[in-house]
Amino acid sequence: QAQLVESGGGVVRPGTSLTLSCAATSFTFSTYGMHWVRQAPGRGLEWVATIWYDGGNQYYADSVKGRFTISRDNSKNTLYLQMDSLRLDDTAMYYCARDRWQLGTEGIDYWGQGTQVTVSS
Amino acid sequence: AIQMTQSPSSLSASVGDRVTITCRASRDIRNDVDWYQQRPGKAPKLLIYSASTLQIGVPSRFSGSGSGTDFTLTISSLQPEDFATYYCLQDYDFPYTFGQGTKLEIK
Repeated sequence: QAQLVESGGGVVRPGTSLTLSCAATSFTFSTYGMHWVRQAPGRGLEWVATIWYDGGNQYYADSVKGRFTISRDNSKNTLYLQMDSLRLDDTAMYYCARDRWQLGTEGIDYWGQGTQVTVSS
Repeated sequence: AIQMTQSPSSLSASVGDRVTITCRASRDIRNDVDWYQQRPGKAPKLLIYSASTLQIGVPSRFSGSGSGTDFTLTISSLQPEDFATYYCLQDYDFPYTFGQGTKLEIK
């Protein structure tokens, strides 16, 4: 069973940066597309970003485009989310998630437990 | 972006009841819909993918149907552990979009 463990969350000021990591185990990380999905307190799920199995392409929600960068290191079995120019409305639980296919276009089958990001002045 | 309109937003039911949750897409998305269950304080869990395929390990009381723009998740006989929030997701095109969620509560 695939396992995903996020880290790097915390409390930060508006306008600052933060990098989230997601360590993947128990599956061949380099053959799957990966996603970040977030959930603001008491709200629904919001897709954030997707990356191909080889890092060859990335997709972003309009709400984060130009501020967030998704990347991966297949040699370390790790997914990243670099978050710059953080805003109050970026406050959420951030989930790392695996796609059912390498190009990230077949939906999410496994989720991590999430890491909390709080943006507060 | 494709909009997913999920209904109802909340639902009260009893153990043993049959319940149905629906998602309507703003345009034809073939069968590219998945359904997730989320219990409080937990990560979502995949129940159904490609509109009607049961994920391995998910009880057979869960089923999905639909294609094009209209999709349904049915729980045939509610169990105590099924009281949770349910979401649909379209993976037909980017940006991926979720339905607003249905909170299933005990009557």
